[in-house]
Amino acid sequence: DAKTTQPTSMDCAEGRAANLPCNHSTISGNEYVYWYRQIHSQGPQYIIHGLKNNETNEMASLIITEDRKSSTLILPHATLRDTAVYYCIVRVAAGNTGKLIFGQGTTLQVKP
Amino acid sequence: GAGVSQSPSNKVTEKGKDVELRCDPISGHTALYWYRQSLGQGLEFLIYFQGNSAPDKSGLPSDRFSAERTGGSVSTLTIQRTQQEDSAVYLCASSSGPSSGNTIYFGEGSWLTVV
Repeated sequence: DAKTTQPTSMDCAEGRAANLPCNHSTISGNEYVYWYRQIHSQGPQYIIHGLKNNETNEMASLIITEDRKSSTLILPHATLRDTAVYYCIVRVAAGNTGKLIFGQGTTLQVKP
Repeated sequence: GAGVSQSPSNKVTEKGKDVELRCDPISGHTALYWYRQSLGQGLEFLIYFQGNSAPDKSGLPSDRFSAERTGGSVSTLTIQRTQQEDSAVYLCASSSGPSSGNTIYFGEGSWLTVV
């Protein structure tokens, strides 16, 4: 399974953009990059996913490098409620179970 | 319903008792997953159901754990002879299929405390 590497923790000032990096150098061509976040052991919340192209939705933007070996999740205007653990996950390809394998994630602390 | 529904939201049980945890996936979702998260730990995959295929039980920690999915919809996770180390939040998730492009959505979990 492709694995990801994320910083253990990051701080961000409220109202500023939060840029969360993720390395996935062993990703395969048909594997997606997914981002989830988890607040206080609630169920993980889906944020965004992508394969090759950059993606944007109402929550965030996902920037994937051309070689697909790394990506960055961008929260454009972080609020205190964005404080959470953010997981970058490379999803195993179909033909397996398509399950998500969670690492330790990045704890993002948004400060006033 | 609009999302994955789990019940009970909280359960306290005595060591040695059996417990059942229920999951109602999003309507129409054929793939269903169970995960476990102990306090301060990461999410641990337990079991996966996809349609009528044999489930992937590779994550179940012991034979005290079992799960079934009736009619391709509701799923029940059963823990027999509970132990204190079973205390955790049990999370259910579903998706419209196993493909990597099908988003997996999680419920809010069932908190289990074994005393």
